[in-house]
Amino acid sequence: QKEVEQNSGPLSVPEGAIASLNCTYSDRGSQSFFWYRQYSGKSPELIMFIYSNGDKEDGRFTAQLNKASQYVSLLIRDSQPSDSATYLCAVLKGDSSYKLIFGSGTRLLVRP
Amino acid sequence: DAMVIQNPRYQVTQFGKPVTLSCSQTLNHNVMYWYQQKSSQAPKLLFHYYDKDFNNEADTPDNFQSRRPNTSFCFLDIRSPGLGDAAMYLCATSSRTSQPQHFGDGTRLSIL
Repeated sequence: QKEVEQNSGPLSVPEGAIASLNCTYSDRGSQSFFWYRQYSGKSPELIMFIYSNGDKEDGRFTAQLNKASQYVSLLIRDSQPSDSATYLCAVLKGDSSYKLIFGSGTRLLVRP
Repeated sequence: DAMVIQNPRYQVTQFGKPVTLSCSQTLNHNVMYWYQQKSSQAPKLLFHYYDKDFNNEADTPDNFQSRRPNTSFCFLDIRSPGLGDAAMYLCATSSRTSQPQHFGDGTRLSIL
């Protein structure tokens, strides 16, 4: 079992729709969770971070965390073609608190 | 703007010829990280510095070394690059290990 799992996609949504990206993790001790966006050939860019159960909203982005289910998600409202990228879920390991474990990413395609 | 700067953006070296990649930051962050990312894979942590304290990942090859002469700069040295070392090398910083990491633009390394 991978420590952080994401569906590789591609997830294809029409422009203006809600894109839902999901991530599960195996370390129950993890406390910090991050979403990064990575365009092809570019470096990861921090989109959201969440530490507590529930929802956290920032503009068109909402991160959702459920520690009991070991599940974190990212919702993108009013998706735009410029949102087309790979979204990396990253989880800070509970034992070390320095090591960020990345999922392999979900590729999102927003169709005009 | 405060940022993480990596040089060069693209580096081509010959098989076995030592190469050094550099990273500088104006964020005054305590922690600096080096990651290796191969195509369609998640970033893989090589090592990190907390201030002057160096922390090597157990599976980082001996071929990879790092130096942090001061808070602002960090270097990645690859002593004898092999074909398998061709990748994007990412530098990241954070104020503390539990805080979000911010990435530079990366250096894409090619081996001839």
